[in-house]
Amino acid sequence: DAGITQSPRHKVTETGTPVTLRCHQTENHRYMYWYRQDPGHGLRLIHYSYGVKDTDKGEVSDGYSVSRSKTEDFLLTLESATSSQTSVYFCAISESARERETQYFGPGTRLLVL
Amino acid sequence: DAKTTQPPSMDCAEGRAANLPCNHSTISGNEYVYWYRQIHSQGPQYIIHGLKNNETNEMASLIITEDRKSSTLILPHATLRDTAVYYCIVRAYSGAGSYQLTFGKGTKLSVIP
Repeated sequence: DAGITQSPRHKVTETGTPVTLRCHQTENHRYMYWYRQDPGHGLRLIHYSYGVKDTDKGEVSDGYSVSRSKTEDFLLTLESATSSQTSVYFCAISESARERETQYFGPGTRLLVL
Repeated sequence: DAKTTQPPSMDCAEGRAANLPCNHSTISGNEYVYWYRQIHSQGPQYIIHGLKNNETNEMASLIITEDRKSSTLILPHATLRDTAVYYCIVRAYSGAGSYQLTFGKGTKLSVIP
């Protein structure tokens, strides 16, 4: 399995508080992604990174920001959490963005916003 | 990316081959077929991918029809640990530097003892 860890694995927070999720990889892959998974919606891309300090928006980026100061770490921040951001968040990595390049996923973070 | 159609659920007896179909009739020439699975509460796990030719690895085989409009994932000897939701995905390079994997609803495979 790809060396991807996510922290925390579970978090309960209150509406309006900031939350930061961390994805850490040991594969030295260039690309990193944040997805959220909700019932009835499959996985949806939030943001992705194609290098240190290089990020771009995905399908559902509103309310989220990301940062990547090191190759191995990709942070997802909810500046002011809302109940609609209750979800399971998955990080993924890939060596490149070519169509034949595989994305490998982390174990996920379950976030509950009360 | 081309859309895919999968049956919502399937059963398979333990030890038998599990054959999971996927239709992707609008697939274009540069789009790959990917299969992932997700065991309850875990991250999606990569299984296999292919473009035109059939592919086999330690987990599964992928059979793609000659017209590429459909494919079948084969788990040769299903075990209880293969119970999961299986996703068939077609993908193409967006030209924007990266692109997402579009997960549909997949097929819920239940391996029966």
